[in-house]
Amino acid sequence: DAKTTQPPSMDCAEGRAANLPCNHSTISGNEYVYWYRQIHSQGPQYIIHGLKNNETNEMASLIITEDRKSSTLILPHATLRDTAVYYCIVRVAVADKIIFGKGTRLHILP
Amino acid sequence: SAVISQKPSRDICQRGTSLTIQCQVDSQVTMMFWYRQQPGQSLTLIATANQGSEATYESGFVIDKFPISRPNLTFSTLTVSNMSPEDSSIYLCSVDPDRGLNGYTFGSGTRLTVV
Repeated sequence: DAKTTQPPSMDCAEGRAANLPCNHSTISGNEYVYWYRQIHSQGPQYIIHGLKNNETNEMASLIITEDRKSSTLILPHATLRDTAVYYCIVRVAVADKIIFGKGTRLHILP
Repeated sequence: SAVISQKPSRDICQRGTSLTIQCQVDSQVTMMFWYRQQPGQSLTLIATANQGSEATYESGFVIDKFPISRPNLTFSTLTVSNMSPEDSSIYLCSVDPDRGLNGYTFGSGTRLTVV
């Protein structure tokens, strides 16, 4: 079973920051938080991952709470192309399978 | 990151027949993963395929229905056997080429319709 809980859907205005929450209250000390997204009719795309520190790359920022029981993916300036299903996943980094939850369907509104 | 070529991209098949899906990776990887995505649903892991050993199947999936081959470190096939309309789904393969450093890479999927 997936170890994460996400809202089923969210709306965000184009140009604004999209903040996608994820709860992972049973996360273990050696499990990372990964985010993927799936744009319609495509395979999932890796976005970012982190262990306990906040992370940023060219796509997004990941904020992990100090107790590591929840996290937020931030898309700083959402565009219509960011419309997708976003999946939050916890896993041990090395050689572990990914179990997908239901994800959050993000709608970017023009 | 790795590049995956998955074939066919889509197919329409008659019930009772079988379809073999191919997954080719441009680099050597230890494990390959096969997923199913039913219409409007999330991805469900079917099995993990290691080179040189039997695939490991998740609960609800059996080898007779979804036989998997893994002849080398860059290639795998998934066969959907004795198909029924309930097998209509998108089937995706994925790999973890950097052992977690950059996440999994997914193929573009095979959209299967069984009539």
